[in-house]
Amino acid sequence: DAGVIQSPRHEVTEMGQEVTLRCKPISGHNSLFWYRQTMMRGLELLIYFNNNVPIDDSGMPEDRFSAKMPNASFSTLKIQPSEPRDSAVYFCASTLDRGRTDTQYFGPGTRLTVL
Amino acid sequence: AQSVTQPDIHITVSEGASLELRCNYSYGATPYLFWYVQSPGQGLQLLLKYFSGDTLVQGIKGFEAEFKRSQSSFNLRKPSVHWSDAAEYFCAVGARSGGSYIPTFGRGTSLIVHP
Repeated sequence: DAGVIQSPRHEVTEMGQEVTLRCKPISGHNSLFWYRQTMMRGLELLIYFNNNVPIDDSGMPEDRFSAKMPNASFSTLKIQPSEPRDSAVYFCASTLDRGRTDTQYFGPGTRLTVL
Repeated sequence: AQSVTQPDIHITVSEGASLELRCNYSYGATPYLFWYVQSPGQGLQLLLKYFSGDTLVQGIKGFEAEFKRSQSSFNLRKPSVHWSDAAEYFCAVGARSGGSYIPTFGRGTSLIVHP
């Protein structure tokens, strides 16, 4: 298996622009997670999906952030408009949720820089 | 709410020396515990996990961890460190959220290995 795929790996944009991060989970996995990693706050869970349905989005910082999972093999995290404080590494992770915490498989991350 | 504390931000060891990384958790029920490793520019990779049973858990790359309920700890150990072990290490506790068990990560410990 190719593992969790994220694109782009690096994104540099200007404040106010829309940013879309993409994730393809491991085939057969039914839960998908978006995390943000910064030096100041560490690894934060933004939102997670189970069977394509958003379950908990309490970690989404503001209305500027939105996430979708239109099917089992694709998810997006959108920031509109972007701000410099959104600069971070964004990770997507997937797992096969069998009713307990199981191993999360992480993608390589997208490093976002907002100028 | 669950939480994880990794008291050491940085640990420096010499190659060949033994290693112990500390992790303390707070969770009201039986915890699911994990250690992940993050190499520079990479996503997180699972080293080992504890759900139940034997409190000494063996993982990949020669790592092991011991669950001590009385101390609320899950420390990671390795008898002889290799230079390639230099990375960031994250402890996590899985807790129920929205019907699934979601990991909460500690802030991480950066391991520096001297030749």
